[in-house]
Amino acid sequence: AQSVAQPEDQVNVAEGNPLTVKCTYSVSGNPYLFWYVQYPNRGLQFLLKYITGDNLVKGSYGFEAEFNKSQTSFHLKKPSALVSDSALYFCAVRGFGNEKLTFGTGTRLTIIP
Amino acid sequence: DTGVSQNPRHKITKRGQNVTFRCDPISEHNRLYWYRQTLGQGPEFLTYFQNEAQLEKSRLLSDRFSAERPKGSFSTLEIQRTEQGDSAMYLCASRAGVGNEQFFGPGTRLTVL
Repeated sequence: AQSVAQPEDQVNVAEGNPLTVKCTYSVSGNPYLFWYVQYPNRGLQFLLKYITGDNLVKGSYGFEAEFNKSQTSFHLKKPSALVSDSALYFCAVRGFGNEKLTFGTGTRLTIIP
Repeated sequence: DTGVSQNPRHKITKRGQNVTFRCDPISEHNRLYWYRQTLGQGPEFLTYFQNEAQLEKSRLLSDRFSAERPKGSFSTLEIQRTEQGDSAMYLCASRAGVGNEQFFGPGTRLTVL
C-alpha cells in the first residue's frame, strides 16, 4: 500500500518570506513523488516531480522540493513567497510499476501581503 | 489548447438519475485515469486505462459506476442510479508512456439532489 501525509492543513507565510509545505510518504520500493497545485474550481496543475537522481528538484513558478529517503519526506519549498502562490497544494506518490497516484489531503497555503 | 478537457464542467441531477461524463485526454497519451475528489480531501483513484483496455479499478468504483475508452482516445464515466454520496468533483488525467507525470483536466462537479 502507498500513502501520503501532509501534516499541516493550513500554512500562512508573509509575502517575501521563504515557505515550506511538508509531505511524508510510504511506498514499497522506490517512490515517484509529485507536487500539484489546485486553484479554486480548477483541476490540478503539475508543479514538479522526483523520479531519480538529484535529491533537490526544481519545478514551475520557482518552487523546488527536497527528497529525503531516510526521512521519507518530500517537502515543497520556495525562497520568496508571492501572494499569487496562495492555493491548495497536494503531494502525491506512486510506486514503481504502479499506475495510480495516492494523494495527501492537501495543504492550504496563504501568503499574507 | 492541447490540455485534458472534460465535459460537462458542472452537472446537477436528482437522486436515482443516470449521468455520463466525458474526458478527452492530451493527444497521443495512451494512459487515462479517473479520480474523485470530495471537499477537503485529495483526489482518490477510481480507474485506469492503457489505450482501450481498463487495467485497474478501485474498490471505490461500485457496480453503479462504469467507465469506457472504446477507441483508446476519449473516455466516458457513467454513474447509474445516482446517490447523494456521489456528489464530488470527478477528475480525469492522462499520461504519455514515456513521461511520468499525470496531467489533469478541470474536472466535472457533480451535485446530486
